[in-house]
Amino acid sequence: GQQVMQIPQYQHVQEGEDFTTYCNSSTTLSNIQWYKQRPGGHPVFLIQLVKSGEVKKQKRLTFQFGEAKKNSSLHITATQTTDVGTYFCAERRAGSYQLTFGKGTKLSVIP
Amino acid sequence: GAGVSQSPRYKVAKRGQDVALRCDPISGHVSLFWYQQALGQGPEFLTYFQNEAQLDKSGLPSDRFFAERPEGSVSTLKIQRTQQEDSAVYLCASSLGFKAEAFFGQGTRLTVV
Repeated sequence: GQQVMQIPQYQHVQEGEDFTTYCNSSTTLSNIQWYKQRPGGHPVFLIQLVKSGEVKKQKRLTFQFGEAKKNSSLHITATQTTDVGTYFCAERRAGSYQLTFGKGTKLSVIP
Repeated sequence: GAGVSQSPRYKVAKRGQDVALRCDPISGHVSLFWYQQALGQGPEFLTYFQNEAQLDKSGLPSDRFFAERPEGSVSTLKIQRTQQEDSAVYLCASSLGFKAEAFFGQGTRLTVV
């Protein structure tokens, strides 16, 4: 079963607005990965976070790993229609080969 | 090719039929994963190969599911006696190592009727 909870499940924003999705776990995560899946497409790797409190930026995307390594967030500044898709967080527990995905947040951007 | 290639892209099977899904990973990638993705859900882990060795098959839902990677490159996921609940997209991913960035294929959409 899925171990990480993602919220919200859906988000509709006006183009230009910001967007944030959150990933929460009841247990400490060894690392967290974020993927984007366009409609009809396959998951595409965005970033991996490993360190407590880590913040990484990719252009308009900001990724954060919580101090306690139990949560993570992805923030998109000034959304564009190209940001449309489902954003998944995924965790791999220490000693495991499995990458466990959250249910994802589906982002719609209204032009 | 440069990416992970899966075939067929679409498969319709009658209930009870056997199917075989193929994955061509990126050349040189040691790690290969199979995932199952139901509509509106995140990918669910099925199995993991390191070269030709199947190191984790804990996600395979039943003994009707079987995966192999005999030469450490191409992998095949076989489903015997398909059932309606097997309908899903089956994704293959490869990476340089199991902790590295995973590259996904386009997936095979299986519909069991």
